[in-house]
Amino acid sequence: EDKVVQSPLSLVVHEGDTVTLNCSYEVTNFRSLLWYKQEKKAPTFLFMLTSSGIEKKSGRLSSILDKKELFSILNITATQTGDSAIYLCAVVYGGATNKLIFGTGTLLAVQP
Amino acid sequence: SQTIHQWPATLVQPVGSPLSLECTVEGTSNPNLYWYRQAAGRGLQLLFYSIGIDQISSEVPQNLSASRPQDRQFILSSKKLLLSDSGFYLCAWSVGQPAYNEQFFGPGTRLTVL
Repeated sequence: EDKVVQSPLSLVVHEGDTVTLNCSYEVTNFRSLLWYKQEKKAPTFLFMLTSSGIEKKSGRLSSILDKKELFSILNITATQTGDSAIYLCAVVYGGATNKLIFGTGTLLAVQP
Repeated sequence: SQTIHQWPATLVQPVGSPLSLECTVEGTSNPNLYWYRQAAGRGLQLLFYSIGIDQISSEVPQNLSASRPQDRQFILSSKKLLLSDSGFYLCAWSVGQPAYNEQFFGPGTRLTVL
């Protein structure tokens, strides 16, 4: 069964901490992995990863993909209260017809 | 610039009643359109995606249906709602190859079936 598993399910940190969110997957014909941040309503796009070992960076956020071990991590350094959100990982996979599957998300709470 | 609208924002419906949620996109042509559902404490589940008018793929068998009567309009419907249909419904769009491009999400509709 194709699946995407995120861990931890939730965590609470203090401002200034660094966090690492994990996403592992088991799918057939992997194509790409996407990270989204969901605050109150609509998820917003963070990164798309297709190649192993190439870090993508945006400010204090970075992400990397390991296609051999089938996982990705999302790092947030010097966390701020505005980073509090659900972080969603999604994998695009499939043969003739592409499919998309999301993980359950990681709920991050950053306390002042 | 592109914008995506969904309505209503919140909906409370009795079991067995019909449903119609609407999504429209502005500022782009030939978008790929998607309907997702997010149950409480769960990730997003892709329900339908469409690459063009009247071209809709269903990802999960259920009592929901989708239609795309115009290029930038995507409608999610049900003839008879179930309790399990409660959730947060998100519409999204992308352009180009569906698999490789980022998707942009609408504000969502929170549906409660009682």
